[in-house]
Amino acid sequence: AQSVSQHNHHVILSEAASLELGCNYSYGGTVNLFWYVQYPGQHLQLLLKYFSGDPLVKGIKGFEAEFIKSKFSFNLRKPSVQWSDTAEYFCAVMNNAGNMLTFGGGTRLMVKP
Amino acid sequence: EAGVTQFPSHSVIEKGQTVTLRCDPISGHDNLYWYRRVMGKEIKFLLHFVKESKQDESGMPNNRFLAERTGGTYSTLKVQPAELEDSGVYFCASSQARGEQFFGPGTRLTVL
Repeated sequence: AQSVSQHNHHVILSEAASLELGCNYSYGGTVNLFWYVQYPGQHLQLLLKYFSGDPLVKGIKGFEAEFIKSKFSFNLRKPSVQWSDTAEYFCAVMNNAGNMLTFGGGTRLMVKP
Repeated sequence: EAGVTQFPSHSVIEKGQTVTLRCDPISGHDNLYWYRRVMGKEIKFLLHFVKESKQDESGMPNNRFLAERTGGTYSTLKVQPAELEDSGVYFCASSQARGEQFFGPGTRLTVL
């Protein structure tokens, strides 16, 4: 069975601070990984995804994530956060059948202006 | 292009009542998914439709939940009878192929 673990449930940062949100997964098949974000009052939207190729993936709004196979990790990073990055962030892995996303518990990020 | 829409946005019902949630996927998306997030827990997969056929309903919690997608367009998720533990946010998503899923805003269900 696949599982995803996000280590930080709540993160509070000041603007311009660097961000790294941890994500570890457990899955025996081909790994397809995602980071989704939910801004307050909005729907889940895709930040970035990894299917294959370059393990350093760049997404929208200056976010990036690095797939490290040996560590079963897919951490999300941003060098300098803004107040508008306040949101809940979800890491997810997709199964081989390509239909089921398994999500981590989410990380609530608050950026103080 | 319109995104995935869900109705209602909120629903408050009494234990034992019936509730029907609706999802309209992005036009042309054959794949439709339902997920649920119970308070304080992860978002969990419920089921997957390809057009009108259920491909995978392994995540449906019990037989009080019934999902349909007649005609392969919109989908409904009925909970009958609702229990307290059914409270949470129900998300619908759609995709054209198996890959990136586009999510709706969710329906927040509260069972009292």
